Amino acid sequence: EADIYQTPRYLVIGTGKKITLECSQTMGHDKMYWYQQDPGMELHLIHYSYGVNSTEKGDLSSESTVSRIRTEHFPLTLESARPSHTSQYLCASSEWGASYGYTFGSGTRLTVV
Amino acid sequence: KQEVTQIPAALSVPEGENLVLNCSFTDSAIYNLQWFRQDPGKGLTSLLLIQSSQREQTSGRLNASLDKSSGRSTLYIAASQPGDSATYLCAVTIMRDAGKSTFGDGTTLTVKP
Repeated sequence: EADIYQTPRYLVIGTGKKITLECSQTMGHDKMYWYQQDPGMELHLIHYSYGVNSTEKGDLSSESTVSRIRTEHFPLTLESARPSHTSQYLCASSEWGASYGYTFGSGTRLTVV
Repeated sequence: KQEVTQIPAALSVPEGENLVLNCSFTDSAIYNLQWFRQDPGKGLTSLLLIQSSQREQTSGRLNASLDKSSGRSTLYIAASQPGDSATYLCAVTIMRDAGKSTFGDGTTLTVKP
């Protein structure tokens, strides 16, 4: 079944640790996105990619980095986590064409203590 | 820059009522428009996608319409149920930037038994 997977679902980590949030999709989509969302608040685009070796920063400045070495995989890395990074991180994918919309993963809820 | 507005921000209705959620956008040269549902702490689930060439889409008790000339889309929910309680978001993709969508802030719906 075509889908998009995010791991871990929940993560509690100490300040200063390096973390990688995983996102994989099985649909062969070229476009992938990372959004940050605080509880009850709007979505903020932090990174996007239109294909392998293509990554761009989104509308909201973020200290995280991303890579796109394979079409299906779009991991997000924080080199040194801080309490201000506590949030929910949502990954999505799509394809070119007006008949394609976004498919979202279930999200990773990150808490930095 | 495309702006997407959803009014009201919150809505509470008794079970069984038919209701309409609104989404307004400023740039009418749209590529497609997508409606999502988000439950607390979860990812976004796609409900309906309307391409630029279409006027409406239906799925079960849901009907979404698109009026590009007035910059509006509506999501009609028939015979609402407590399980419909969630936040509903619309996302608009425009022609000149078909890579990314602009999301509204959402309408939080509560259906009371």
